[in-house]
Amino acid sequence: QVQLQESGPGLVKPSGTLSLTCGVSGGSISRSNWWSWVRQPPGKGLEWIGEIYHSGSTNYNPSLKSRVTVSVDKSKNQFSLKLSSVTAADTAVYYCARVRRDSSGYYLMWYFDLWGRGTLVTVSS
Amino acid sequence: SYELTQPPSVSVSPGQTARITCSGDALPKQYAYWYQQKPGQAPVVVVYKDIERPSGIPERFSGSRSGTTVTLTISGVQAEDEADYYCQSADRSAIYVVFGGGTKLTVL
Repeated sequence: QVQLQESGPGLVKPSGTLSLTCGVSGGSISRSNWWSWVRQPPGKGLEWIGEIYHSGSTNYNPSLKSRVTVSVDKSKNQFSLKLSSVTAADTAVYYCARVRRDSSGYYLMWYFDLWGRGTLVTVSS
Repeated sequence: SYELTQPPSVSVSPGQTARITCSGDALPKQYAYWYQQKPGQAPVVVVYKDIERPSGIPERFSGSRSGTTVTLTISGVQAEDEADYYCQSADRSAIYVVFGGGTKLTVL
């Protein structure tokens, strides 16, 4: 059974770079899946950050694209998030998730069927 | 940017039917998905591809669509269904994922 686990610093200074890793256990990250990051500010809704395929192809939320990098390390069976120039507005619970993506149907299927437990990252000096 | 609109809150008594709507201009061109999120937990998908229900999700959860609006219906609501519910889809060109603002379901 595949499980996801986020890890990384819980506190980042303003203007710094937020770095998180999602470890994938119970299965290979190189299977035919995309892998994604989603965040949720305290008391607010969900926001999609971006996604990566095991080949390294990526897609990003246009509103965050200039500050986001998602990468994959197949040897460690993990993928990572870097968010630069952070402010207090980037304080959130960050989730990693497995993406179900299939363009063979009438519409594109694109959703998240497995999530990590999430990790709170606070941006503060 | 593209937005999905949900009511902030819905309240029902146990055993009644709850309906949560989600509106967006691109919904006729993209599938919709629904997630349940309980406090302190990660979201769980309860409906995918508009109307499909993942294994393990109770039959009382169902999805439907009509034009630019999709609806999550919970029939015979139980106390354990009290949670936040989010719809999710993609923009018309399938460039990015969008979530609705979320609806807090209260079971009276």
